[in-house]
Amino acid sequence: LAKTTQPISMDSYEGQEVNITCSHNNIATNDYITWYQQFPSQGPRFIIQGYKTKVTNEVASLFIPADRKSSTLSLPRVSLSDTAVYYCLVGGEGGGFKTIFGAGTRLFVKA
Amino acid sequence: GAGVSQTPSNKVTEKGKYVELRCDPISGHTALYWYRQSLGQGPEFLIYFQGTGAADDSGLPNDRFFAVRPEGSVSTLKIQRTERGDSAVYLCASSLGPGLAGVPNTDTQYFGPGTRLTVL
Repeated sequence: LAKTTQPISMDSYEGQEVNITCSHNNIATNDYITWYQQFPSQGPRFIIQGYKTKVTNEVASLFIPADRKSSTLSLPRVSLSDTAVYYCLVGGEGGGFKTIFGAGTRLFVKA
Repeated sequence: GAGVSQTPSNKVTEKGKYVELRCDPISGHTALYWYRQSLGQGPEFLIYFQGTGAADDSGLPNDRFFAVRPEGSVSTLKIQRTERGDSAVYLCASSLGPGLAGVPNTDTQYFGPGTRLTVL
């Protein structure tokens, strides 16, 4: 069973705020939530990580409700260069380092 | 500083041949991961090294796949008797190792550009 569920794809326009929500109903107490971004022909790149409430960095914000069963990646004022696949990851398999990527969310930003 | 590098960037081989894919991690990173990514899919975990030892090789699909990291730095993924289904991008990532307070799932991974393997 997949540990996370995300929309397969999303479309947006330049300058808009984009919110991508990830469901992780079986999140464990020690699990952190991590988001990666991947451009074509490149490896994934770390965006942001959080445990609860809200985390913000220079790239994005991550909102995590109290029950932690979901999280929302927020990208402010997207540009064409934000077109990529975004992956939500939770914890490690069995509490270890085995990292499970889902299919991700393909964000397409239009002019 | 230098990121994770992988060589070759592209490898074309024939069915049945043996291939080696190399990963140079970021200096000082004790953890190293290998993944395989097919078109339209997310990266698929293959193996994780902590130092020289394979701490988790549960993602290796079969015994044709093997990986080593003899000195705890460079790693080589080896595929014997390649099959057409092995065609994919092979990604390597490295990290500092156990993250906050030793919790593994805070470990930020830095990925290389990948090696595109094509088996004809």
